[in-house]
Amino acid sequence: EIEMTQSPVTLSASPGERVTLSCRASQSVSGYLAWYQQRPGQAPRLLIYDVSTRDTGIPARFSGSGSGTEFTLTISSLQSEDFAVYYCQQYTKRSAWTFGQGTKVDIK
Amino acid sequence: QLQLQESGPGLVKPSETLSLTCSVSGGSVNNRNYYWGWIRQPPGKGLEWIATIYYPGNTFRNPSLSGRVSISVDTSKNQFSLRLDSVTAADTAVYYCARHRGAYINDYYNPAFFDTWGQGTRVTVSS
Repeated sequence: EIEMTQSPVTLSASPGERVTLSCRASQSVSGYLAWYQQRPGQAPRLLIYDVSTRDTGIPARFSGSGSGTEFTLTISSLQSEDFAVYYCQQYTKRSAWTFGQGTKVDIK
Repeated sequence: QLQLQESGPGLVKPSETLSLTCSVSGGSVNNRNYYWGWIRQPPGKGLEWIATIYYPGNTFRNPSLSGRVSISVDTSKNQFSLRLDSVTAADTAVYYCARHRGAYINDYYNPAFFDTWGQGTRVTVSS
């Protein structure tokens, strides 16, 4: 199983700040990585796939980068609705899709 | 607009079988461009993929659960379902159904990421 490790566990930031979340894979996942946002009490929502492709309707302030085992999600200017938990997910191996444990972005 | 809705009992006794159904609207479960999956989230924890199905019946199951999990599709009702046998308290979670979009992964078309989710249904395993 490919383990996905996210850091930090919690990130405290203010509205308008630029934040960067990290996701590390235990082995290379090439470019097969997605990011999700989960607001309290809601289902996860796909933000980004293939490392850097935003899903339909996702604002441009969300961007992804990386390759191999190291990936980042950047929010260029935090909005109030962005305070949530973010998960990465790799999909390089069939029947072995795994998620990171999540990074919570809360208000400083 | 694609929508998914989970249904099933909110309480299941230990050692019994958990059965959930996902009703799909705005799309068809027999659309061969897509797969359909289940993911769960224990209280206060992260996400765990459970199983995925591709019409007419190709299935993928999490190896850690595969002996207890089955997934099926009913095209007449435009639904897909999950069964998890011999449940314990560790199976207490919010269960989500989702569309599992396919992509070319190393030259093969396979399920990849989850692009549309149901709202989730909370299942508690307790006597």
